[in-house]
Amino acid sequence: AQSVAQPEDQVNVAEGNPLTVKCTYSVSGNPYLFWYVQYPNRGLQFLLKYITGDNLVKGSYGFEAEFNKSQTSFHLKKPSALVSDSALYFCAVSVRDDKIIFGKGTRLHILP
Amino acid sequence: DGGITQSPKYLFRKEGQNVTLSCEQNLNHDAMYWYRQDPGQGLRLIYYSQIVNDFQKGDIAEGYSVSREKKESFPLTVTSAQKNPTAFYLCASNTNAGGANVLTFGAGSRLTVL
Repeated sequence: AQSVAQPEDQVNVAEGNPLTVKCTYSVSGNPYLFWYVQYPNRGLQFLLKYITGDNLVKGSYGFEAEFNKSQTSFHLKKPSALVSDSALYFCAVSVRDDKIIFGKGTRLHILP
Repeated sequence: DGGITQSPKYLFRKEGQNVTLSCEQNLNHDAMYWYRQDPGQGLRLIYYSQIVNDFQKGDIAEGYSVSREKKESFPLTVTSAQKNPTAFYLCASNTNAGGANVLTFGAGSRLTVL
């Protein structure tokens, strides 16, 4: 069965510092990997995805993620955090059957 | 504008009552999904549908039912058999492309059982 793990419930980062939000996955076969962001009482918004090709994926709002097949990871990164990046971040994985599974989420706090 | 509309936004229910949450999309998407969100547990898949008149159970389908009579609509019924129904429910959709396509989410429905 496929699964996604986000090992940190919360990440605190000072504004202007680089940020990393971790994600590891377990699937049979080649995964499709996604990052979404959620603001309070709202639905999720898409940030970026990895389907195939270049392991470094660039997405919205300056975020990027690196697919690492040997470590089964897809960590989200940003070189310089903004206070407005504070939100709940979800990693998701699917294989070819349209069943899309999400992690538990990581709350990102950017401290001014 | 294209998107997903969930209604109602807030719903209160007494124990023992069934309640139906509406999800409508005008994106011409083939696949539709229902997730449940609880604090500290992330999003858990309840049901999903890849085509009209067909749907599959997700990881927590017990106590829920769905129908997919039209491409645009995927209502979720929370039955009295669901032991702990208070949660935030999210509907989503995407084009049917074997799991590679991005999900578009509705704004959610918050159900509270009194």
